[in-house]
Order: sequence, then C-alpha cells, then structure tokens
Amino acid sequence: AQTVTQSQPEMSVQEAETVTLSCTYDTSENNYYLFWYKQPPSRQMILVIRQEAYKQQNATENRFSVNFQKAAKSFSLKISDSQLGDTAMYFCAFMGGSGGSYIPTFGRGTSLIVHP
Amino acid sequence: ETGVTQTPRHLVMGMTNKKSLKCEQHLGHNAMYWYKQSAKKPLELMFVYNFKEQTENNSVPSRFSPECPNSSHLFLHLHTLQPEDSALYLCASSQEWTAPTKAFFGQGTRLTVV
Repeated sequence: AQTVTQSQPEMSVQEAETVTLSCTYDTSENNYYLFWYKQPPSRQMILVIRQEAYKQQNATENRFSVNFQKAAKSFSLKISDSQLGDTAMYFCAFMGGSGGSYIPTFGRGTSLIVHP
Repeated sequence: ETGVTQTPRHLVMGMTNKKSLKCEQHLGHNAMYWYKQSAKKPLELMFVYNFKEQTENNSVPSRFSPECPNSSHLFLHLHTLQPEDSALYLCASSQEWTAPTKAFFGQGTRLTVV
C-alpha cells in the first residue's frame, strides 16, 4: 500500500517570502502521479500542481513549483512570493496505477499561514 | 467553484437518527468518491464508484451506506452513527478511476454526531 507523509503539521511565512512544504511517499510502483491540493478555509479542495513520475522536469504553475526527487521519493512544494490568499491546508497526494485503478492517497496535510 | 456540490454544508444528528449526504456533479465524470477528513489525520477514502458501480469499500462500517443512482449523483446514507464519526465528509469526482486525472472536490459536509 502507498503511504504519503507530510512531516510539517503547520508552517508560517511572511507575505512575499518563499516557503517549502515537504512530502515523502512510499511506493513500489514506477509509474505514478503526484499532486498538491490546497484547501482554503472555505473547505473546497482545489488542485495546485501535478507531476508525472516519468517526467524528470519539475512542474511549475506560476508561483508554485515542485522539487521532485524520484529516487528519494520526495515531492516538495515551493510557494514563491507568498500571498495572504495562500493561507490554507495543503495536501500532498499520490496516485498510482496499481491494478489499473488510480485512486488518490493523501497525506495528513500542512496548515500554512501567510502573515502580512 | 469546482463543479462538485455537496449538501448539506453542516449537519448535526443524534446517534439514533437517519440522515443522508448528497453529492452532485455535472462535469461528465464517471468516478465519484467519498472521503472522511478528521482533524490531524490523512483523508480517508471510504467508497469509490466507477460508472455507478461500487469498486472500493475501504472497510467502512455498515452504518455508512453509499448509493450511486447515476453518474452525476452520489449519496451517503447515515444511521446509528457514533460521536467518533463526527468529521468533514468530502465528495470528489474524476473522469474515471482507470486514468490518473485530477480529482474535483466538493466543499464537504461538516457532520457532528451528538
């Protein structure tokens, strides 16, 4: 079974600074997908960024980028130029194709607070 | 808005009550999911439906009973719940579970069992 570990329950950052959220996972699969989801206080979870394991290039989406280290099974999220609206819970998720089904497995989440 | 709507947003129920949570999506997705989100725990997958057929039941107690009448609607019927069942229940959908497409989530139902 896959597991996803987010070792930082809470993080805080000053507005306009950079913060990195960590995520590690455990799997025996070679082909899989990794995601970061954001859950603001409104509770609706939205996708931030996605990475395919077969791609060596790290995914980027505007101020959000990942550092994907496949050998280390590490998938950290970097948020640059943090904004107050980035305050949210961030969940790392793994999606493998074991048995032909892709069901996301989530970590416990990291609560990020951006201070003005 | 992600296109996945859950009702009600909040629910308080006694341990002897029967209630239902509703999830609706009109994204054309064929896979729908129920997750339980408790404080300081990973999201726990409860049920998966793919093309209206239940494909996963993650050892969920029988006091939780899912129903998927069509690809757009998913229900979670609740009866004789326990206080430890209090949590945020999230519904999600994706194109289908045999493809690694992203999941779209609803806003959740905050359930309190008293």
